[in-house]
Amino acid sequence: KQEVTQIPAALSVPEGENLVLNCSFTDSAIYNLQWFRQDPGKGLTSLLLIQSSQREQTSGRLNASLDKSSGRSTLYIAASQPGDSATYLCAVSLTGANSKLTFGKGITLSVRP
Amino acid sequence: EAQVTQNPRYLITVTGKKLTVTCSQNMNHEYMSWYRQDPGLGLRQIYYSMNVEVTDKGDVPEGYKVSRKEKRNFPLILESPSPNQTSLYFCASSLWLAGVWTQYFGPGTRLLVL
Repeated sequence: KQEVTQIPAALSVPEGENLVLNCSFTDSAIYNLQWFRQDPGKGLTSLLLIQSSQREQTSGRLNASLDKSSGRSTLYIAASQPGDSATYLCAVSLTGANSKLTFGKGITLSVRP
Repeated sequence: EAQVTQNPRYLITVTGKKLTVTCSQNMNHEYMSWYRQDPGLGLRQIYYSMNVEVTDKGDVPEGYKVSRKEKRNFPLILESPSPNQTSLYFCASSLWLAGVWTQYFGPGTRLLVL
């Protein structure tokens, strides 16, 4: 059974710091991996999606990498801002036959001004 | 605006009183699903639907029912709610495009069962 782990559960950093959020998964046979952002009272917003054949994806200050063989992904946030404070969720898709996602428990990030 | 809407957003109820959480999407997506999110457990899929009149169980379907009579709506039904169904519920609709499922999540429904 696929398990997705995100450690630590919470992280607090000062504004301007570059930071890395980690995600690990137990079964390397994934179809793709996504990083989501969750804000209180709002739904989940997809940040980056990496197909199993890709190594990384970038969007603005965000860069996500994927190492399927080791079962790891990282989300790199450059020059963090208070507006980046949110919960970041990693999720894997095991097949293209459906859109089911297996989620990690998330990392709650707080960026201090 | 493309969106997934859920109603109600917040609900307090008592054990055994039937309730329905509605979910509607305006993107003509065929695939819809329900997740629940609990502290320490993350998001888990409850039910999903590949199209009208086609539904199937996810990982935690016990105590829930769904129906898909129209493409845009996918209500979640709790016939006899219990306190262990207190949770944050998310509806999602998905589009298959260029080899990727693009997911759109609703804002969530926070349910408290007393």
